[in-house]
Amino acid sequence: EPEVTQTPSHQVTQMGQEVILRCVPISNHLYFYWYRQILGQKVEFLVSFYNNEISEKSEIFDDQFSVERPDGSNFTLKIRSTKLEDSAMYFCASSEAPGREQYFGPGTRLTVT
Amino acid sequence: QQQVKQSPQSLIVQKGGISIINCAYENTAFDYFPWYQQFPGKGPALLIAIRPDVSEKKEGRFTISFNKSAKQFSLHIMDSQPGDSATYFCAASTGYSTLTFGKGTMLLVSP
Repeated sequence: EPEVTQTPSHQVTQMGQEVILRCVPISNHLYFYWYRQILGQKVEFLVSFYNNEISEKSEIFDDQFSVERPDGSNFTLKIRSTKLEDSAMYFCASSEAPGREQYFGPGTRLTVT
Repeated sequence: QQQVKQSPQSLIVQKGGISIINCAYENTAFDYFPWYQQFPGKGPALLIAIRPDVSEKKEGRFTISFNKSAKQFSLHIMDSQPGDSATYFCAASTGYSTLTFGKGTMLLVSP
């Protein structure tokens, strides 16, 4: 069964450093999403992406964040200068179309020290 | 208005019992209501979903009940098993928007 994959599974970085989280969405899906989940809290939407541009973003997704689809398979989330409060699980998701089922990857645990 | 309120925060059910988790929403534009199951250290996995044109959807031991007038929907897990122990999230979205999640319910099914 097709699945969303994410790398790395765990990333430790120092405050102020740049990190790139990678995702490979399900191959025939066209819509891609990033969510985050701070430990013990609910899943929060960050950004959606379609046709090589951002469709929607939340207030969390400020200028420190960017997304990119550098090739036909990868979808990345970059945090330019990490802060302690960026520590969370980051989930990538994909769907065939907006309003259709979203399938989540296993997540990347980001720890900012 | 974008919030989805989920209760209870945690739930303990005996094996074989019925687990019931409730969610309420305010945004009447929501038209897609999925439930996700999450095990520790894993991503949310789509469990079952409903659209407001039906009042109930059943898949195996999992049933969603939907009350459009009350703006509420609930997940029922029949014959709950220890393997069902996980965190369950309800969510909602409009046709072209992203998912708004509830805060989650930690379910523990005791053997």
